[in-house]
Amino acid sequence: DVKVTQSSRYLVKRTGEKVFLECVQDMDHENMFWYRQDPGLGLRLIYFSYDVKMKEKGDIPEGYSVSREKKERFSLILESASTNQTSMYLCASTDRGKFYEQYFGPGTRLTVT
Amino acid sequence: EDQVTQSPEALRLQEGESSSLNCSYTVSGLRGLFWYRQDPGKGPEFLFTLYSAGEEKEKERLKATLTKKESFLHITAPKPEDSATYLCAVKRGSSNTGKLIFGQGTTLQVKP
Repeated sequence: DVKVTQSSRYLVKRTGEKVFLECVQDMDHENMFWYRQDPGLGLRLIYFSYDVKMKEKGDIPEGYSVSREKKERFSLILESASTNQTSMYLCASTDRGKFYEQYFGPGTRLTVT
Repeated sequence: EDQVTQSPEALRLQEGESSSLNCSYTVSGLRGLFWYRQDPGKGPEFLFTLYSAGEEKEKERLKATLTKKESFLHITAPKPEDSATYLCAVKRGSSNTGKLIFGQGTTLQVKP
């Protein structure tokens, strides 16, 4: 079974802190994604990566950056956390050939105070 | 602008009471419509993919159908374990990298 793990289930940070969210997948998938999920807005794509060191902006990249140094690991970075970044963050991965079947991690509920 | 809209936002059913969830979309060059299920506290889990109008897919009590403008997820004789949020998503025409646009979801509650 594909497994996507995220470093924390719950995280509380202060405004202005630098925040790292880590995601690891164990199925050698090329594509990895970071989404945020907010009530009434659904899942919105922040960034995705289609290969090591490759990345593309999604629909809401402002205030975020990403890093993919190894194929199995994709990190989301909040350079200076703000309260409007309080959200559920979901990581996903998919094989290049089955782009629609995205495997999601359990999510990280981030609260910025 | 590419858009996916799901209705209703929430649906309460009695066990055994069949119903349908709707997903309407406006996207240039549709290359697939996908349904996911999300349980509380978990990430979404893939259910179905549909590519062309008229296509249908079934899994247990769920059947997904697709027209040129919308998709329906029909739930026949639901059970309490079908309670979840159901998300639909579409793939934009040009990308080969799996970028999807998700709807906001329908939260289904099935009471025994």
